[in-house]
This record gives sequence, C-alpha cells and structure tokens, in this order.
Amino acid sequence: LAKTTQPISMDSYEGQEVNITCSHNNIATNDYITWYQQFPSQGPRFIIQGYKTKVTNEVASLFIPADRKSSTLSLPRVSLSDTAVYYCLVGGAGAGSYQLTFGKGTKLSVIP
Amino acid sequence: ETGVTQSPTHLIKTRGQQVTLRCSSQSGHNTVSWYQQALGQGPQFIFQYYREEENGRGNFPPRFSGLQFPNYSSELNVNALELDDSALYLCASSLDTGRETQYFGPGTRLLVL
Repeated sequence: LAKTTQPISMDSYEGQEVNITCSHNNIATNDYITWYQQFPSQGPRFIIQGYKTKVTNEVASLFIPADRKSSTLSLPRVSLSDTAVYYCLVGGAGAGSYQLTFGKGTKLSVIP
Repeated sequence: ETGVTQSPTHLIKTRGQQVTLRCSSQSGHNTVSWYQQALGQGPQFIFQYYREEENGRGNFPPRFSGLQFPNYSSELNVNALELDDSALYLCASSLDTGRETQYFGPGTRLLVL
C-alpha cells in the first residue's frame, strides 16, 4: 500500500480557503486517493475520493495532477467546525480486502 | 437509514483480561472492518469480515479475533489484554470489499490498567 506524506498541522482563519497537499510518490496504477476527516473521539468521516484530475462535491474539491504523485484537498471558506484531523489515503481494490492505511494526518486549526 | 453503531462507548479492563467489542453495520452493508487508533496516531487496520468470513488482516497478533454474524453485525475479541491495547477501537462498514466508502462508527474507548 502506497505511503503518504502530509503536513502535521496547519492553521487558517475563518472564511479562508484551505489547501492540504499530500504526497504519494509510489501510488500504483489502480490506486484511488481518498480523504477522511476526524474530530476528537469520533470515527473518521469520508470527505472525497478521486483517481485523476479534479473531483468536487458539496464539501470539498480534490485536485490530482497528471502524474498522480500528489493530491490537494481544498476546503472552501472554512469555519471553526472544520477544525479536525484530515487524512489522505491511497489504495485500491486488489485481491482480498480493501484496507485503509492511515498516516498521522494533518491537524487543521481554524482560528476565529 | 441507521448508521454504524458500536458498544460499549467506554470500557476499563485490567491486564490479562479478555474483552468483546460490538458493532452494528449500516443498513445494507455486508462488509465490516476493524481499526485500532492509539492516542495521536491514525487508525491501524486490524481485519475485515465479508459475509461472515475473515477477508484480510493487518499486523495484529492472533489474540485479536473477530466474528461477523448473518445480520452482518460484528464482534472484536481481544484476549490476554496488554497495556498497549489501550486505544480507540473503530468499526467501519461498507457495501462491499472493494473501494466502496467505509463508514465509521463512533468507536469504543478501551483502557487497560
């Protein structure tokens, strides 16, 4: 399973756009990129998933360059409630189970 | 639609004891995965169950075992508890074993003294 590298922490003011970049140099051809959000003492919550180019949903956008060795989660106009740990994961369905491999994540602190 | 639920929410055990944690999958989901999350770390995959059979296992010793029932609910059993087993245990359900989105429960906080 591909290893990911992301910043340990980030600070942002309310109302700003936040971009969290994740490196995954060893991503395999059939790997997808998935981001989860986790609040303290809660389970992770799925945010977005993509394979290439750009994916957008109601809460975030995911930008993936052509070489797919990195990806950027973009959160528009963050609020205090977006303070959480954000995990970038890469993996694909192979033989057997599809296990999510989490790193340490990026702790985002939104400042009033 | 009912989300993933776990019980109990908190548990205190002593070293050497055994513990059983329970998980109810989201409606319609046939796959359950269990994760261990130590303080300050990301969740670590323990194992996955698909239609009552173990379908993959992470780097955890055999004293971590599980079950999945016909209604797709699941149990995680840990024997001979060690202090390092203190963690948040998370259950996640999904529609299938592929790259389907995994939906996590709130977790069970286990403290081993």
